[in-house]
Amino acid sequence: GENVEQHPSTLSVQEGDSAVIKCTYSDSASNYFPWYKQELGKRPQLIIDIRSNVGEKKDQRIAVTLNKTAKHFSLHITETQPEDSAVYFCAARRDDKIIFGKGTRLHILP
Amino acid sequence: NAGVTQTPKFQVLKTGQSMTLQCAQDMNHNSMYWYRQDPGMGLRLIYYSASEGTTDKGEVPNGYNVSRLNKREFSLRLESAAPSQTSVYFCASSEALIRRYTFGSGTRLTVV
Repeated sequence: GENVEQHPSTLSVQEGDSAVIKCTYSDSASNYFPWYKQELGKRPQLIIDIRSNVGEKKDQRIAVTLNKTAKHFSLHITETQPEDSAVYFCAARRDDKIIFGKGTRLHILP
Repeated sequence: NAGVTQTPKFQVLKTGQSMTLQCAQDMNHNSMYWYRQDPGMGLRLIYYSASEGTTDKGEVPNGYNVSRLNKREFSLRLESAAPSQTSVYFCASSEALIRRYTFGSGTRLTVV
């Protein structure tokens, strides 16, 4: 089955700097890669997603890149703000189910 | 438009007790899912239902059963609760093709 590895588990960046979270997946047939943000005590919320026929996607300060050959995908957050502090999950989908990474806790330092 | 509704929000069970977690969605989504979330473990898929009338095991199905009652409702049952099932449980649903999940607000279950 699919296995998704996510790094780092914790990340601290200065406000205004960029943050990068990296994931790898094992199943080459996976074709959809969403990213979710979860604030403390809240439900996960989709922030951006990418399909396997696209190499990069951007939405304001957030971008995702996908390298299908290497089975890597990454989340980039630029000009980080205090409200970006949360846990971020990457995921990969094959067929009907989505498998999540273990999450990255992002701290934005003042 | 409530999205995905889970009940209850909190529950404490004694070891060996049974209970059913309820989930309902009003977005006419075909697919529904149950995940559990434990510290440092991310979200792990318990069971899913790709469409009404079908259910399949996920990554961690042992100790659980599910019922897709109709297109709107997907319940998760613990027949004999164990302390290892202490967790936050999330239900999610998605459209058949796009697969973007909408999560419920979660059920925090403690088994003592």
